[in-house]
Amino acid sequence: GAGVSQSPRYKVAKRGQDVALRCDPISGHVSLFWYQQALGQGPEFLTYFQNEAQLDKSGLPSDRFFAERPEGSVSTLKIQRTQQEDSAVYLCASSVASGRAFEQYFGPGTRLTVT
Amino acid sequence: DQQVKQNSPSLSVQEGRISILNCDYTNSMFDYFLWYKKYPAEGPTFLISISSIKDKNEDGRFTVFLNKSAKHLSLHIVPSQPGDSAVYFCAASFHPLTSGTYKYIFGTGTRLKVLA
Repeated sequence: GAGVSQSPRYKVAKRGQDVALRCDPISGHVSLFWYQQALGQGPEFLTYFQNEAQLDKSGLPSDRFFAERPEGSVSTLKIQRTQQEDSAVYLCASSVASGRAFEQYFGPGTRLTVT
Repeated sequence: DQQVKQNSPSLSVQEGRISILNCDYTNSMFDYFLWYKKYPAEGPTFLISISSIKDKNEDGRFTVFLNKSAKHLSLHIVPSQPGDSAVYFCAASFHPLTSGTYKYIFGTGTRLKVLA
């Protein structure tokens, strides 16, 4: 498909486990964003990549969160030692350029539940 | 501190009538505003946007109005259709000096239900 895809769609982790969430952006899109959406809230910015460079990680809530995009396409968001407060939908979005506020195309999200 | 607020969590409208969704913001640095629509189990999809230098943008049945002095924007859907039933998020963007990108701040969403 031509859209942004994310896997897995659902993940249940026991408290303390590490998880890895994958995002496949639209081919050729320079910009990639990760968001966290808690229940009843809007998406909240986590981090931003321009190609392989992580230019902004100011939204990552703790050093347990780590994101990478080594080849400027696929990105992985890793959460170490998951906590219950990490339960949320994690959304990935990509856009065609890094400049003006081009519309972001969102993936379907990964729903993470920490038990 | 919620910089973008959608004070109505839900709204019900009869098919064919107008739907008006509201959004308020506090940061005068925001220079671009967007509306997204979200269906269950899907990511948000872009609907319509407006630059801060304009006060209205129209696209088919969807019109966004911006009142900068009141720091308020609204989305009008006319006529409303059952397929419009979804959660609508407004978002505002700005470019912090410390970031390499425009950042987007989202509201908490309004669930619209269009009744047939």
